Amino acid sequence: GAVVSQHPSRVICKSGTSVKIECRSLDFQATTMFWYRQFPKQSLMLMATSNEGSKATYEQGVEKDKFLINHASLTLSTLTVTSAHPEDSSFYICSARDSGRGHYGYTFGSGTRLTVV
Amino acid sequence: QKEVEQDPGPLSVPEGAIVSLNCTYSNSAFQYFMWYRQYSRKGPELLMYTYSSGNKEDGRFTAQVDKSSKYISLFIRDSQPSDSATYLCAMTGVTGGGNKLTFGTGTQLKVEL
Repeated sequence: GAVVSQHPSRVICKSGTSVKIECRSLDFQATTMFWYRQFPKQSLMLMATSNEGSKATYEQGVEKDKFLINHASLTLSTLTVTSAHPEDSSFYICSARDSGRGHYGYTFGSGTRLTVV
Repeated sequence: QKEVEQDPGPLSVPEGAIVSLNCTYSNSAFQYFMWYRQYSRKGPELLMYTYSSGNKEDGRFTAQVDKSSKYISLFIRDSQPSDSATYLCAMTGVTGGGNKLTFGTGTQLKVEL
């Protein structure tokens, strides 16, 4: 089945530094990937949609200069949290869409727990 | 009003019970409905999916969609402790490729021995 690998699973960084999170589709090509943020006991909040080879589309209220998304290949998308602050601490999850599986082809990574100290 | 409403729970049931999880939605354009299971500190995994109205059964799980009422359900029979997780409903429409999913808030389920 479709597998999405997300790394790192946990990261602790100092305030003011940048952190990069990788999302890879291992056995399918993903023209579209999605980045979510999830707070404790809350649902997934879509941050942005990235399409291979083009700029990401950010949801309202998400700072594109703070959350840099790159989708340079059909199997890799990255999210960089720039100048991280404690309020950026959260659980970040990526999802890749396998268009070969129609409208249900969304596979999620295992998430990245970011803690900014 | 949120596009998708889901009772966050927590819902606690004894082992072997039948569990009913539900979501309501307001957007008539939604036609593809999914249920995801999310264990603590993990990404969601697809459990069931249905198109438009109707029922779908897979083992102990049954998904129902009633588009006239804008109401979807997931039933779990003979619930097991391993079913303890957060269950998220998700849905999308037919507006072309790369559709984004709209999620409910998730219902936290605990199945106790």
